[in-house]
Formats: sequence, C-alpha cells, structure tokens
Amino acid sequence: AQRVTQPEKLLSVFKGAPVELKCNYSYSGSPELFWYVQYSRQRLQLLLRHISRESIKGFTADLNKGETSFHLKKPFAQEEDSAMYYCALSDDFQKLVFGTGTRLLVSP
Amino acid sequence: NAGVTQTPKFRVLKTGQSMTLLCAQDMNHEYMYWYRQDPGMGLRLIHYSVGEGTTAKGEVPDGYNVSRLKKQNFLLGLESAAPSQTSVYFCASSYDGRGGYEQYFGPGTRLTVT
Repeated sequence: AQRVTQPEKLLSVFKGAPVELKCNYSYSGSPELFWYVQYSRQRLQLLLRHISRESIKGFTADLNKGETSFHLKKPFAQEEDSAMYYCALSDDFQKLVFGTGTRLLVSP
Repeated sequence: NAGVTQTPKFRVLKTGQSMTLLCAQDMNHEYMYWYRQDPGMGLRLIHYSVGEGTTAKGEVPDGYNVSRLKKQNFLLGLESAAPSQTSVYFCASSYDGRGGYEQYFGPGTRLTVT
C-alpha cells in the first residue's frame, strides 16, 4: 500500500538556520513525489515536484530511492517560510496520497 | 480565471441533515478530487473523477456521494451528516494523466456537524 510518512508534526527554527523537512514513502512502483505548502489563510499549493528537479523559493528536494525518502531542504530559512508542508505521492491516476504534514515555524 | 472555487465556505449541520458541496473549475481540467483534512491526519481522498460522468472511490468514501454531470463541476453530497464528518473539505483539479501534473486546490469548506 502507498504510504507517506512525515515524522515531525512541528519544526521550529530561527531565521537563517538550515531547514530539512523529512518525508519517507512506501510505494511498489516508480513514484511521483511532490511537496505542497499551505500558508496561513491561503489554499494548498504546489511547491515542487521531483520530476522537475527545480528549486522553488530556495527549497530543493531530492528523491532517494534507496532510502525511499524525499526530504525538503532549504539552507537559510526565512520568516515567510512559516507554513504547513505536505509531502505527497501520486499514483497512476494522479491521486495524491498525503503525509500528515509538518508545520514549519521560523522565528526571527 | 477563478481557478477552483468551492461553495459554501462554512456550514453548520445537525446530525442527520443533508447537504451538497459544490466545486467548480474553469481550467478545463479532466480530473477532479474531493479531500478531507483533519488535524493530525493530513488530507485524505474521499472520491475522485477522471472525466465527465465518471466517479470513483478514494480512501475514505463512506457516508459521501459524488456526481460529475458537467466537466467543470464536481459535487460532494452528505446524505445524513454525522459528527465524524466535521472537517475541512478541499476540492482539487488537475489537467490529465501522468507526468506529475499539478493539482490545483480550492479554498476549502469548513463543515461542522453537531
């Protein structure tokens, strides 16, 4: 069965500190993985997807098939990064399986 | 473009009442989805549709029904609301197929069942 695990409910860092939000998955096929973000009072939106291999707002995520991980990283956190972050896995019909989310709080 | 819109934004129901949540998208997307978001549970898929006239069950379909009579609309119905259905409901849509297409989300409907 497909499963996405985000072990941290809350991650609290100071501005300028590095950030790593953990995501592990279980999937029998070749996964398509995403990070979605929900800022306060905004709708859920795509942050990045693994097939694009892009950096968005300074965030990157590398798919590690050996460790079945897709951790989200940013070298220097900003206060505006404070939000709820969801890792998600997509199956063949574009259904998303979400992790339980990690709330990132960046303090000044 | 309005993107994905949801009606209503808030609703309070009594146990046993029924209601319909409306999702509309103006991006000509084929795929539409209904999720519920509960604290500590993330988002869970209720039902989805891969095209007009088609629907399928997701992870937590019990107590809900859906219809996709028009491509741009996806309705979620609660026939007899229960307190366990208190949640925030999100609709989403995506273009089609594979390849990591982005899902676009609506603003959510906060439903309370007393």
